Amino acid sequence: GESVGLHLPTLSVQEGDNSIINCAYSNSASDYFIWYKQESGKGPQFIIDIRSNMDKRQGQRVTVLLNKTVKHLSLQIAATQPGDSAVYFCAENGSIQGGKLIFGQGTELSVKP
Amino acid sequence: GAVVSQHPSWVICKSGTSVKIECRSLDFQATTMFWYRQFPKQSLMLMATSNEGSKATYEQGVEKDKFLINHASLTLSTLTVTSAHPEDSSFYICSAGAGGSYEQYFGPGTRLTVT
Repeated sequence: GESVGLHLPTLSVQEGDNSIINCAYSNSASDYFIWYKQESGKGPQFIIDIRSNMDKRQGQRVTVLLNKTVKHLSLQIAATQPGDSAVYFCAENGSIQGGKLIFGQGTELSVKP
Repeated sequence: GAVVSQHPSWVICKSGTSVKIECRSLDFQATTMFWYRQFPKQSLMLMATSNEGSKATYEQGVEKDKFLINHASLTLSTLTVTSAHPEDSSFYICSAGAGGSYEQYFGPGTRLTVT
């Protein structure tokens, strides 16, 4: 959903473990969802996206799951590496938003070597 | 492909002065560009949407006379922070959409510090 200035939740994992980052989105009419990775001082970097007619999509080491019933999105990162340490944001878009991305609050992932 | 650049990457200015930030789509034509603002440890907040050749649409609470947006061509949008104050210090990020899809391509951001 829309960020209202909350501080970021954090997730700490051991290198090699799998990470699961969760996101609750705000609008049941959204039809496009994206996960972004943002490293400190940089712009968001696209990771993976999914459309509302799917419930799972896999990429390289990442999987996105979409549960429209409860308006929930998750990002799974397999074999997490130190380079995965960053802030992860989900975002939703669709005709209802007129093409505007609505960002979630984000989760800071910290990977311990 | 789909590279978006921003200039400058960081800028320090004195209170009361104006600062212009450029956003360019390098290898595609961007019918729509978006400007975001991000405070430390917070999410991106959309400030405005600009369409080439027309006035920008500002989000609620964003002062259009303070944050001037110009989208004069399909590859360039500019954000001018007028009469900047310390509370305008933030990370400003632009994104560009190619039209016909919901994808947006983000620039690397501009760190503005107002002293």
